[in-house]
Amino acid sequence: DARVTQTPRHKVTEMGQEVTMRCQPILGHNTVFWYRQTMMQGLELLAYFRNRAPLDDSGMPKDRFSAEMPDATLATLKIQPSEPRDSAVYFCASGLGRGDSYEQYFGPGTRLTVT
Amino acid sequence: GENVEQHPSTLSVQEGDSAVIKCTYSDSASNYFPWYKQELGKRPQLIIDIRSNVGEKKDQRIAVTLNKTAKHFSLHITETQPEDSAVYFCAASKGPNFGNEKLTFGTGTRLTIIP
Repeated sequence: DARVTQTPRHKVTEMGQEVTMRCQPILGHNTVFWYRQTMMQGLELLAYFRNRAPLDDSGMPKDRFSAEMPDATLATLKIQPSEPRDSAVYFCASGLGRGDSYEQYFGPGTRLTVT
Repeated sequence: GENVEQHPSTLSVQEGDSAVIKCTYSDSASNYFPWYKQELGKRPQLIIDIRSNVGEKKDQRIAVTLNKTAKHFSLHITETQPEDSAVYFCAASKGPNFGNEKLTFGTGTRLTIIP
């Protein structure tokens, strides 16, 4: 049963520190999405990759967030410097991204707390 | 961009009764409408989806209907059970065409099944 994996599952850090979250998409999937979930904003898209190329990062605060895919098995989301308002659950999702396949599958999330 | 509205925000039903959650979308080009179930502390899980060339889809106790003209779609759960208690999210996208796969989510419905 292939699944998206994310590390770390939980992260507590102090304001101003750098945070790196990692995602391993399902093998063979060529689209990767980063979503942020908060009580106030719900689920919102931060960034979206297809074949490792960034397609849409309009939902991401550019001054402090960055997203990359160094290779097909790893996606990263970095926050530098972190702020208390970044506290949220960050989900990665992947999809086959071709043909008749529309589905996106979510990872377990990284719960980030910035103090 | 796409806007998805979801109602109600909370729903309580007696075990065995049916539950209905409704969503509307704004972009007539959207053609894919998934529903996700999220249990407390867990990842959103895809439970059913529908594409714009279909009006209704069923999978055991759950069904989704789509009215393209009115731009709304609904989730129906019959014979509800305690394990159906969760937050349900609807979403919409124009995928899987290049650059159109990102999901826009509704704000969620917290469903509680009363034993």
